[in-house]
Amino acid sequence: GQQLNQSPQSMFIQEGEDVSMNCTSSSIFNTWLWYKQEPGEGPVLLIALYKAGELTSNGRLTAQFGITRKDSFLNISASIPSDVGIYFCAGRPSGGSQGNLIFGKGTKLSVKP
Amino acid sequence: DVKVTQSSRYLVKRTGEKVFLECVQDMDHENMFWYRQDPGLGLRLIYFSYDVKMKEKGDIPEGYSVSREKKERFSLILESASTNQTSMYLCASSSLMTGGTQPQHFGDGTRLSIL
Repeated sequence: GQQLNQSPQSMFIQEGEDVSMNCTSSSIFNTWLWYKQEPGEGPVLLIALYKAGELTSNGRLTAQFGITRKDSFLNISASIPSDVGIYFCAGRPSGGSQGNLIFGKGTKLSVKP
Repeated sequence: DVKVTQSSRYLVKRTGEKVFLECVQDMDHENMFWYRQDPGLGLRLIYFSYDVKMKEKGDIPEGYSVSREKKERFSLILESASTNQTSMYLCASSSLMTGGTQPQHFGDGTRLSIL
């Protein structure tokens, strides 16, 4: 089936540093979503993007829907220890089944105080 | 806020047992989904439903079935549990949106161990 390439797989950073991660696909997507999952919990929606070029912020988090519609980026500024978790991208390919999403395999973020 | 509630956080069952995982959402969402999550494999779609009494196979339906008798409730059934079904199971729901995709909202998951 269709896959999303999410990178990096993991990141170890110092508190206060900025973080960048991205997702790419081989086909055009109509929707990009970013989720965060903490240990023992379900994924929680962070940001939803619906238009190419769209840039949306949620506090210290900023995500962008790539112009080519084949990628998306998530940035976290001034990281803090509670940012620890796994960040997933998800999206719906153009022409895909309504409601169904394709998920990346996640970026595991560790923050050292 | 959307609330998706899974009946158990942790469950331990024996090989061969019939296992029921329950999921309830309180936002009148049309769409409901069941995933399993395994290290290195990400989220894999087992079954989904766009309406009451309607179900569609996802990517890995073998060994599972589902039931959606009411709009708010979507049950996942392991007909005869096996050790390779030990996993984290996640339920999600989303509303119907013409021309786009509404985000899926997830429950907290059920960590199922089959002994």
